[in-house]
Amino acid sequence: AQSVAQPEDQVNVAEGNPLTVKCTYSVSGNPYLFWYVQYPNRGLQFLLKYITGDNLVKGSYGFEAEFNKSQTSFHLKKPSALVSDSALYFCAVEAGSYQLTFGKGTKLSVIP
Amino acid sequence: DTEVTQTPKHLVMGMTNKKSLKCEQHMGHRAMYWYKQKAKKPPELMFVYSYEKLSINESVPSRFSPECPNSSLLNLHLHALQPEDSALYLCASSHIGWGGDEKLFFGSGTQLSVL
Repeated sequence: AQSVAQPEDQVNVAEGNPLTVKCTYSVSGNPYLFWYVQYPNRGLQFLLKYITGDNLVKGSYGFEAEFNKSQTSFHLKKPSALVSDSALYFCAVEAGSYQLTFGKGTKLSVIP
Repeated sequence: DTEVTQTPKHLVMGMTNKKSLKCEQHMGHRAMYWYKQKAKKPPELMFVYSYEKLSINESVPSRFSPECPNSSLLNLHLHALQPEDSALYLCASSHIGWGGDEKLFFGSGTQLSVL
């Protein structure tokens, strides 16, 4: 079985400050890990993915994520938050089941 | 064209109505998906079509009937829905078929309300 946990329902950060949205996963094999973002009344947009190789993955809009196998984590980060980054963020994992499992989502609010 | 287009954007239907949701992509993707998303919840997979054939059906009630007329189009036919079926219905596509490392391209969804 595979699962992903996003421990925070909401993250608040001031504009210009660094942001982190946390994700941990549980799989029995090697994971494929993804981050998607959803703006209000819109579908999900792909941000980045980890397949293999470099543990630091760079994605769209200045976001990056670090794969940590020992901690089974894949936290999303950005050095300087923008108000326009406010959205719902989903971590997702796939590990051999050919089904993408989403976390419950974390609402990011960037305060001007 | 890197878009997945869904119509209609909003739909209100009664429990005895028959309606259809439509999804279209022109990226040459060969896998297409239907997801259901309740407010502030993650998307839940309903169906996967790979090369125009239904490959995954996540035990969805028969009142939801998918159809893939060709590689660019995906429909979801609705009949005798229940109020608890009210949700955002998302269509997605991916490049070469259902594979673990494929990124998904999502449409903006159809917000369905069943009265």
